[in-house]
Amino acid sequence: NAGVMQNPRHLVRRRGQEARLRCSPMKGHSHVYWYRQLPEEGLKFMVYLQKENIIDESGMPKERFSAEFPKEGPSILRIQQVVRGDSAAYFCASSPRQGPQPQHFGDGTRLSIL
Amino acid sequence: DQQVKQNSPSLSVQEGRISILNCDYTNSMFDYFLWYKKYPAEGPTFLISISSIKDKNEDGRFTVFLNKSAKHLSLHIEPSQPGDSAVYFCAASVTGANNLFFGTGTRLTVIP
Repeated sequence: NAGVMQNPRHLVRRRGQEARLRCSPMKGHSHVYWYRQLPEEGLKFMVYLQKENIIDESGMPKERFSAEFPKEGPSILRIQQVVRGDSAAYFCASSPRQGPQPQHFGDGTRLSIL
Repeated sequence: DQQVKQNSPSLSVQEGRISILNCDYTNSMFDYFLWYKKYPAEGPTFLISISSIKDKNEDGRFTVFLNKSAKHLSLHIEPSQPGDSAVYFCAASVTGANNLFFGTGTRLTVIP
């Protein structure tokens, strides 16, 4: 499967725990985007990364959230000390270059906070 | 603030007829627009896009129309098929920016 791969598909955490969401972009894509979708809402941009660099994190909450895209391995979205309001679907997308073009999405990670 | 709006949460259409999904935007800087289709428990799938230098783009059964003066775009699906039943998201971006702005989606049901 050459598409965007996200894992896990479902993640359950208790309040105060950490959540780690992984994203492997499509082959040949070096640009990764994370979006969050709350119930009955559209997707909201969180962060844009290239290999080893955070380019735009304007949509990321200032606390508890971080993202990385190391030289080797998948991109990671990390949420520390999760709260109930973090429950959402988190989608990763990738593209081969910057600029106006379609972003290709993975199937998302559904995070549930108990 | 919701810069991309899809005011119809749902739409039902008979199989074989045309489906028209609408989208309005407020930011005049948007210059690239996309439509995505989403099935439950899956990610959005890219359907079709249009640049602001055009007012129409076609791909098979899918046509997107852009009216810049009205800040409005629409997706036409003709003929509609039961497999088209999904949630459709309109998205927009600004050249030089990195993110897509999404509408809240329209659930299309195509009745056999």
